[in-house]
Amino acid sequence: DAGVIQSPRHEVTEMGQEVTLRCKPISGHDYLFWYRQTMMRGLELLIYFNNNVPIDDSGMPEDRFSAKMPNASFSTLKIQPSEPRDSAVYFCASSFRRSRGGGIDTQYFGPGTRLTVL
Amino acid sequence: GNSVTQMEGPVTLSEEAFLTINCTYTATGYPSLFWYVQYPGEGLQLLLKATKADDKGSNKGFEATYRKETTSFHLEKGSVQVSDSAVYFCALSALKAAGNKLTFGGGTRVLVKP
Repeated sequence: DAGVIQSPRHEVTEMGQEVTLRCKPISGHDYLFWYRQTMMRGLELLIYFNNNVPIDDSGMPEDRFSAKMPNASFSTLKIQPSEPRDSAVYFCASSFRRSRGGGIDTQYFGPGTRLTVL
Repeated sequence: GNSVTQMEGPVTLSEEAFLTINCTYTATGYPSLFWYVQYPGEGLQLLLKATKADDKGSNKGFEATYRKETTSFHLEKGSVQVSDSAVYFCALSALKAAGNKLTFGGGTRVLVKP
C-alpha cells in the first residue's frame, strides 16, 4: 500500500485566497483525521470522520475551515479565506477499528502539506 | 478529560548515550498508549504501543512499559544513534469513550550529536 497520500506537499498562497488540501487514506481504513501542527500550538486535531461521516469537528478553528469526505478514498480540508495565521503543516491520518468495541489500530500519517499564507 | 504530559525538549545527547523521555497521562478507563516519532520533514509514524497495564512496547531498540500505578509510559533507548534525532510524541487513546481519537503530548525534540 502506498500509505496515506496528501497533496500538495507545499502550498504558498496570499491572504484571502481559497486553499484546498487533499487526502487519500489507506484503503480499507474507516477513520480519517485532519491535524494541524505549528511551533506555538503543537499538534492539534481539527476534525475526524468515521465511515465518511464527520464525528467531531470541535477542533476546527473557525468557519473559514471546512472538511468533506465524499467517499471512502478521498477527503478535503478547505480554508476560505486564508489568513497568515493559518500557516502550518496539515496532516491527514487514517486508521480502522478492528471490531465493534474492539481495540483501535494504529493511526497512519501522511507526509503533510506545508501551507504558507503570505 | 484525557491529557498527556511529556518532558519538554530539546534533549541533546551524544551518540551511544542513554535516552529517557518521560510521559505521564490522565485518562478515564484503560487507555492504549503510543509513542510516535517524527523525523525532519516527515509525518508522524508509530514507534511502539502498549494496550494494557504492564505491557512493554518495543521497536528499533526503544522500549516503554505501561505503568498503570504511576500513569506513565516512559520511552527509553540504551544507546542512541545520530539517526534517532527526531521529535517524539507520547499519545493515548481511550477506548469507546472518544471514538478512535488520539490525545498527543506536546512532543520532545531529541538531537543526537556524533
